[in-house]
Amino acid sequence: DQQVKQNSPSLSVQEGRISILNCDYTNSMFDYFLWYKKYPAEGPTFLISISSIKDKNEDGRFTVFLNKSAKHLSLHIVPSQPGDSAVYFCAASDSGGSNYKLTFGKGTLLTVNP
Amino acid sequence: GAGVSQSPSNKVTEKGKDVELRCDPISGHTALYWYRQSLGQGLEFLIYFQGNSAPDKSGLPSDRFSAERTGGSVSTLTIQRTQQEDSAVYLCASSYISVPEQYFGPGTRLTVT
Repeated sequence: DQQVKQNSPSLSVQEGRISILNCDYTNSMFDYFLWYKKYPAEGPTFLISISSIKDKNEDGRFTVFLNKSAKHLSLHIVPSQPGDSAVYFCAASDSGGSNYKLTFGKGTLLTVNP
Repeated sequence: GAGVSQSPSNKVTEKGKDVELRCDPISGHTALYWYRQSLGQGLEFLIYFQGNSAPDKSGLPSDRFSAERTGGSVSTLTIQRTQQEDSAVYLCASSYISVPEQYFGPGTRLTVT
């Protein structure tokens, strides 16, 4: 039973355009959401996060939107750059107690073409 | 400062052998997590350590898997009698207490032949 789903295995966009990566979750106990970026042969790198009390969080070119009623979040990258090409993982946490173990989606491979 | 480090970066072992994977968390991070990523899958939680509290072992797939954390710092994940389905990238992450953002090491790629 996949609690975090990234339904698009891959996405290709032109440099300078917007990249939109989507994520759906099923567990209503999740209250914190994160996006990680992963290059081959490296560990995931934290990008941006959002608490369930917010519906938007912005950091430079990266914005995460959360729609709690739809159990959906998205990551927008504007403008997209070739260096953004990587696998992007959506992750969710139930912050009961201090254990923030993350449940991950399977990832979306983003390719930004020059 | 130094990030999370893991060793070895790659490990090839024969089925039935035991392996030990090591993780050095970021200095000052009291929370430590182990995850694994099998081919084509997302990261899967294995175990969580926080200070002197009892670890959360709920993600360990079988009793062949164990982990310890000595002195609140370095952690070792041990897999006994390895099986081919144990082949995966094993990732360690650390964080400050009560902070969801975790910082990952580069991982150990384990191949069981």
